[in-house]
Amino acid sequence: GENVEQHPSTLSVQEGDSAVIKCTYSDSASNYFPWYKQELGKRPQLIIDIRSNVGEKKDQRIAVTLNKTAKHFSLHITETQPEDSAVYFCAANNWENEKLTFGTGTRLTIIP
Amino acid sequence: GAVVSQHPSRVICKSGTSVKIECRSLDFQATTMFWYRQFPKQSLMLMATSNEGSKATYEQGVEKDKFLINHASLTLSTLTVTSAHPEDSSFYICSARDETEVVEQYFGPGTRLTVT
Repeated sequence: GENVEQHPSTLSVQEGDSAVIKCTYSDSASNYFPWYKQELGKRPQLIIDIRSNVGEKKDQRIAVTLNKTAKHFSLHITETQPEDSAVYFCAANNWENEKLTFGTGTRLTIIP
Repeated sequence: GAVVSQHPSRVICKSGTSVKIECRSLDFQATTMFWYRQFPKQSLMLMATSNEGSKATYEQGVEKDKFLINHASLTLSTLTVTSAHPEDSSFYICSARDETEVVEQYFGPGTRLTVT
């Protein structure tokens, strides 16, 4: 089955600086890679996703890059703000089996 | 659109009793729903995949007789934790996939189960 590794587990960033979270996956058949933000006690919220036919996708301050050859993808948050503080999860999915496999999570803290 | 609700949001039960959690897709039809468990400071772990009208598919290590899943309609799936024990205390989250979409899953708000 799929295995998704995520680094770092914790990340502290000065407000206004950029944050980068990286994930690797094992199953070359995976073709959908969403990123979720989860605040304490709340549901995961989809913040951006990328499909395997695209190398990069951007939505305002958030971008995701995908390297299919190396089987890794990254989340980039620019101009970080205190409200960006949360736990972020990457995930990988194969359209055929429908199951999302989550990474271990990154606790991001934005320092004012 | 694409709203998923869960009920109850919090439940406390005594050891040995059973608890039922409901997951509903409010504005779309969900042929497939997923049940996850999340322990404190850990990731979401898929427990089972439920398809409307058929038996759920459980992940390895998840006891199907303990975690009963029923997906009786296109908008409702239920998870029943039978003979609950303190180690079953966790955050249970469901998600649903819109049958008209390919992959995106919409998550419910979660249910905090505490077994005393």
